[in-house]
Amino acid sequence: AQKITQTQPGMFVQEKEAVTLDCTYDTSDQSYGLFWYKQPSSGEMIFLIYQGSYDEQNATEGRYSLNFQKARKSANLVISASQLGDSAMYFCAMRDIQGAQKLVFGQGTRLTINP
Amino acid sequence: DSGVTQTPKHLITATGQRVTLRCSPRSGDLSVYWYQQSLDQGLQFLIQYYNGEERAKGNILERFSAQQFPDLHSELNLSSLELGDSALYFCASSVEVAGYEQYFGPGTRLTVT
Repeated sequence: AQKITQTQPGMFVQEKEAVTLDCTYDTSDQSYGLFWYKQPSSGEMIFLIYQGSYDEQNATEGRYSLNFQKARKSANLVISASQLGDSAMYFCAMRDIQGAQKLVFGQGTRLTINP
Repeated sequence: DSGVTQTPKHLITATGQRVTLRCSPRSGDLSVYWYQQSLDQGLQFLIQYYNGEERAKGNILERFSAQQFPDLHSELNLSSLELGDSALYFCASSVEVAGYEQYFGPGTRLTVT
């Protein structure tokens, strides 16, 4: 069974600093995808970034990058130059590419950006 | 705005009642997923439909059912509601059956009293 672990329930960061949100995963599948979603206080789930298990380069989307270390089964999200609007819950998730299409989510990390 | 719409935004009902949550996927998306987010269980996958057919099932209770209609909108039916069913219910959609980008709707917050 697939499992996602986010060990940081909450993080506090100063505005403009970079922040790394940790995510480790467990799967016996060879083909899988890793995702990060942002959930602001308004409740919607916003897709941020995707990394495929066979992608050789780390995914980047604007200020977001995914530090993918396959051997360590980690997929940390890095946010550069944090902004006040980055304050939200962040969820790491994974999906088995070949089989069931469900996303399996971690428990989330609440990020607070201080001015 | 993800392009996925969900109605209603909020729903308050009593135990034992039945409700229907509605989801319209993004234009062109054939796959619809339902997720439940609760404080104790976190975010859990309930069920997936692709082009009208059920494709995958998660931790969906027997009291819950879903369907996807020919126009691709989907409905999640929750019956014999219990206090523990109070949660935020998300619908997500993707282009393909295995579309890697799942775009989430704004959610329906269900409160059972």
